[in-house]
Amino acid sequence: DTEVTQTPKHLVMGMTNKKSLKCEQHMGHRAMYWYKQKAKKPPELMFVYSYEKLSINESVPSRFSPECPNSSLLNLHLHALQPEDSALYLCASSQRGILNTGELFFGEGSRLTVL
Amino acid sequence: SQQGEEDPQALSIQEGENATMNCSYKTSINNLQWYRQNSGRGLVHLILIRSNEREKHSGRLRVTLDTSKKSSSLLITASRAADTASYFCATDARAGANSKLTFGKGITLSVRP
Repeated sequence: DTEVTQTPKHLVMGMTNKKSLKCEQHMGHRAMYWYKQKAKKPPELMFVYSYEKLSINESVPSRFSPECPNSSLLNLHLHALQPEDSALYLCASSQRGILNTGELFFGEGSRLTVL
Repeated sequence: SQQGEEDPQALSIQEGENATMNCSYKTSINNLQWYRQNSGRGLVHLILIRSNEREKHSGRLRVTLDTSKKSSSLLITASRAADTASYFCATDARAGANSKLTFGKGITLSVRP
């Protein structure tokens, strides 16, 4: 199984809602990532977990809260988002930890629209 | 902040032609990777070249790395309509105690049938 699965594929939420994005991989990878991608822009790194510990937080606003319950799962909890947070949120995993990033395996993304 | 900068930003070629895309970066790297993204989809890893390597091949792909010029190129030979996509170079570089992968702005490749 070489897949990274993200749910939901599409999410529409109001600015007062609380929702979560979920990501799962069963490749035994030790690092998992959240990237944010706006239209016609490159993916921007948000968070990195290595061995289930948060290793990188790219100064992301606290309305985004990551969680790594175990080595296969990665969540992104969303609360009080702004319309400008609308984007494609991509989850990825890599076999190694984060001292030397190897190939990333990406999910198909969760398309988030904040009204 | 972006590390890699691709050139050109958009490329349109005829099926069967070769496509060459360039990437320049600013700091020392552990490795450089190329990814493809079809519209609205996730990214797919194409090839990784380490900082001590100069050239690598994978099927119709050839990537070169010149660390003295801080640049890389991706060549896709005998292009197909299915190669139409956005292509990103990504550099893995040290960031404090960690390393992180940073993507360039991307190149939009259109292959005309």
